[in-house]
Amino acid sequence: GDSVTQMEGPVTLSEEAFLTINCTYTATGYPSLFWYVQYPGEGLQLLLKATKADDKGSNKGFEATYRKETTSFHLEKGSVQVSDSAVYFCALSEPWGGSARQLTFGSGTQLTVLP
Amino acid sequence: DGGITQSPKYLFRKEGQNVTLSCEQNLNHDAMYWYRQDPGQGLRLIYYSQIVNDFQKGDIAEGYSVSREKKESFPLTVTSAQKNPTAFYLCASSPQDRGVGTEAFFGQGTRLTVV
Repeated sequence: GDSVTQMEGPVTLSEEAFLTINCTYTATGYPSLFWYVQYPGEGLQLLLKATKADDKGSNKGFEATYRKETTSFHLEKGSVQVSDSAVYFCALSEPWGGSARQLTFGSGTQLTVLP
Repeated sequence: DGGITQSPKYLFRKEGQNVTLSCEQNLNHDAMYWYRQDPGQGLRLIYYSQIVNDFQKGDIAEGYSVSREKKESFPLTVTSAQKNPTAFYLCASSPQDRGVGTEAFFGQGTRLTVV
């Protein structure tokens, strides 16, 4: 079955540091890939997505590139801010094939950015 | 504004009681989902529904029940058979189409605690 593996957290960085959160996946088909962010006590919000190989998703300074050859979708940001402190989830969904579009999530990575 | 509303935000349950978590969406989405989130873990799928009056079990359906009598509503009942119900519950919805890259939209969550 499908699975998503994220780097273990928690991750603690100083403001303006470079961020990388690794994500690799296993899928039977050709999935779409997502990064979601969860702020304390809230639901998940879509951060960015990519739907085919070599696509780069980007939003709010975050980027991730769909690498089919390495089955990876690593999240990066060049300069983090305190407001980026949250839990980040990597997820995938298989192409719609007669069933509800289900997301398979990684375990999440807690990011804390210190001023 | 369109979105997903979960209520209540916090819920306390006594041992042996059934409780129902509400989820309403006004996004006109066909598919709806319930996820459970435990500390330090990813999201696990409890139930999902593609269409009114139809739903399927997810990975951890034991001790839970759902109904889908209206397109807008997908309530989750946590029964007394669920031995460890304390968790954060997230409801989500998505369009039911054949396009790739369609993300799920999440509610703000309900935190259930057994007292």
